[in-house]
Amino acid sequence: DTEVTQTPKHLVMGMTNKKSLKCEQHMGHRAMYWYKQKAKKPPELMFVYSYEKLSINESVPSRFSPECPNSSLLNLHLHALQPEDSALYLCASSQEGGGKTQYFGPGTRLLVL
Amino acid sequence: AQSVTQLGSHVSVSEGALVLLRCNYSSSVPPYLFWYVQYPNQGLQLLLKYTSAATLVKGINGFEAEFKKSETSFHLTKPSAHMSDAAEYFCAVSGGSNYKLTFGKGTLLTVNP
Repeated sequence: DTEVTQTPKHLVMGMTNKKSLKCEQHMGHRAMYWYKQKAKKPPELMFVYSYEKLSINESVPSRFSPECPNSSLLNLHLHALQPEDSALYLCASSQEGGGKTQYFGPGTRLLVL
Repeated sequence: AQSVTQLGSHVSVSEGALVLLRCNYSSSVPPYLFWYVQYPNQGLQLLLKYTSAATLVKGINGFEAEFKKSETSFHLTKPSAHMSDAAEYFCAVSGGSNYKLTFGKGTLLTVNP
């Protein structure tokens, strides 16, 4: 099974709201990722977790707060977002180490009003 | 550092025609190369991956890619296009111990009846 699940599928939020995106995988992967994808662009890496510890933060604004409560779950907490943060947010997971295949979830389509 | 260049942001073919999507890479270490496909409003699905085991890599849905080190290329081909192949295709590179997956800008494939 190479499935990564993400909830919710769609999310609309105001600039003062707090919301969370959730990602889950049961492939035993110890690396998990958050990407942001704008329309007609490739995914941009935001965060990488390795063994539940944050290993890469691509200078993402603090209004995005990642959390990895266990090896199967990855959350992205959102607060005080801007309209330009509207995008498709993709979660991925892989085995530990460089060059491993990343398996992507279906994404959460976020609209910030 | 790694980078990927996809030649042609949009490729249009007729159903049954050869599909050729071009990808050139740059890597300071032996690369891992990937092709992903993204259907509208979905996440990325792995088509195939090059890991140095063989220069001709076969993937899902009849796609294959050939690694040519002398040309630093990893072009994706399919002998006969099907309407269901219409999607965005991303070439990506990773290398060494680096978790980062560097994507090309993507090529939109349209298939005409």
